[in-house]
Amino acid sequence: QVQLQESGPGLVKPSETLSLTCTVSGGSISGSSHYSWGWIRQPPGKGLEWIGSVYYSGRTYYNPSLKSRVTISVDTSKSQFSLKLSSVTAADTAVYYCARHDYNNQRPLPNFDYWGQGTLVTVSS
Amino acid sequence: QSALTQPPSVSGSPGQSVTISCTGTSSDVGGYNRVSWYQQPPGTAPKLMIYDVSSRPSGVPDRFSGSKSGNTASLAISGLQAEDEADYYCSSYTSSGTVLFGGGTKLTVL
Repeated sequence: QVQLQESGPGLVKPSETLSLTCTVSGGSISGSSHYSWGWIRQPPGKGLEWIGSVYYSGRTYYNPSLKSRVTISVDTSKSQFSLKLSSVTAADTAVYYCARHDYNNQRPLPNFDYWGQGTLVTVSS
Repeated sequence: QSALTQPPSVSGSPGQSVTISCTGTSSDVGGYNRVSWYQQPPGTAPKLMIYDVSSRPSGVPDRFSGSKSGNTASLAISGLQAEDEADYYCSSYTSSGTVLFGGGTKLTVL
């Protein structure tokens, strides 16, 4: 059974960089070429927003609206992947989820089958 | 990229059927059979209910079904139960090689 767990600071100051890590257990990030690993966020009371995803090779895919501020990386030796979001504002306050999804023909597909429990990150001074 | 369009809310009585729509464009929903649906009860992570328009993951009741016509995908729930009350989200692959979510629909079981 694959499990994902987000970790990182719950409070970030405006203009600083938000950093989160997702640890994968019960399966290897590099164990299958059929999956990519993504970050999704959900502002309080609002809908889901895909932030971006990373393949085990390190290839990344980003939401165009966040691309200039986002970096997603993978560390297969630690079975972890990470999110960095720079120049944060209050609008970046959200529950951040990491999740696994299918990858086919160099395409990250929208079927996220395993999710972390989510971690609330608040942007405030 | 704008979110896929879903109705803000739908409702139904126990035992009835409801349908939730998800409208996009030919660059996402209409262009690929890569539409998924998620169920999210309050305070929990989303759960995958449908993928590839109409496929159900193991363990998802067959009361849940998906379909697509043109640029609009739909999630149908039959035999409505109290436990089905949740927020529902669609998502689609896009021609830009990205993933796009819908704005979400709150299902109320009356």
